[in-house]
Amino acid sequence: SAVISQKPSRDICQRGTSLTIQCQVDSQVTMMFWYRQQPGQSLTLIATANQGSEATYESGFVIDKFPISRPNLTFSTLTVSNMSPEDSSIYLCSAYRGAQFFGPGTRLTVL
Amino acid sequence: QQQVKQSPQSLIVQKGGISIINCAYENTAFDYFPWYQQFPGKGPALLIAIRPDVSEKKEGRFTISFNKSAKQFSLHIMDSQPGDSATYFCAASQNSGGYQKVTFGTGTKLQVIP
Repeated sequence: SAVISQKPSRDICQRGTSLTIQCQVDSQVTMMFWYRQQPGQSLTLIATANQGSEATYESGFVIDKFPISRPNLTFSTLTVSNMSPEDSSIYLCSAYRGAQFFGPGTRLTVL
Repeated sequence: QQQVKQSPQSLIVQKGGISIINCAYENTAFDYFPWYQQFPGKGPALLIAIRPDVSEKKEGRFTISFNKSAKQFSLHIMDSQPGDSATYFCAASQNSGGYQKVTFGTGTKLQVIP
């Protein structure tokens, strides 16, 4: 398994600003993932982050809006840029170690 | 296109009863089928998983039944308890460039009443 922490756990932001979410894994993993989950909904994959290479984005998500960093094998960040109320959601970090394990999520509200 | 269909959307079960959640998939390339449990305000937690060469897997009160020919699998929670009240997601994954790419079902909100 993998123990994953995220910061912040929640935030309220103003329209037009950006927020960077941090994800820390307890040990080295090759693949990390970022998901978005609307309240009461399923999980939607934003992008896959492999250490040392550019993140791979899913259809409907672009790097300018959701830039991702993966500086080492235990850490990743997701930035939500130029936020609008439609970006209000839960953002989940995940790491793959035989199966996907998830962090506790970051609940973002954009006013 | 929803590749993993999950039902029911919500489920109310009496304490001690059996909770059953069903999932179906289309993509025969899927080779790993995990179930996740998510409590409010928490991330999904891996509950139990099965590979398609096995028809059933049991861990405590949780059992996955898998029907490869029908492309269906289900989660059974025996002796359901109020503490089992959560949202359950089935998922299916396939190898994609050296890792397992996961597709999630739509989720089932389970409520176990005393």
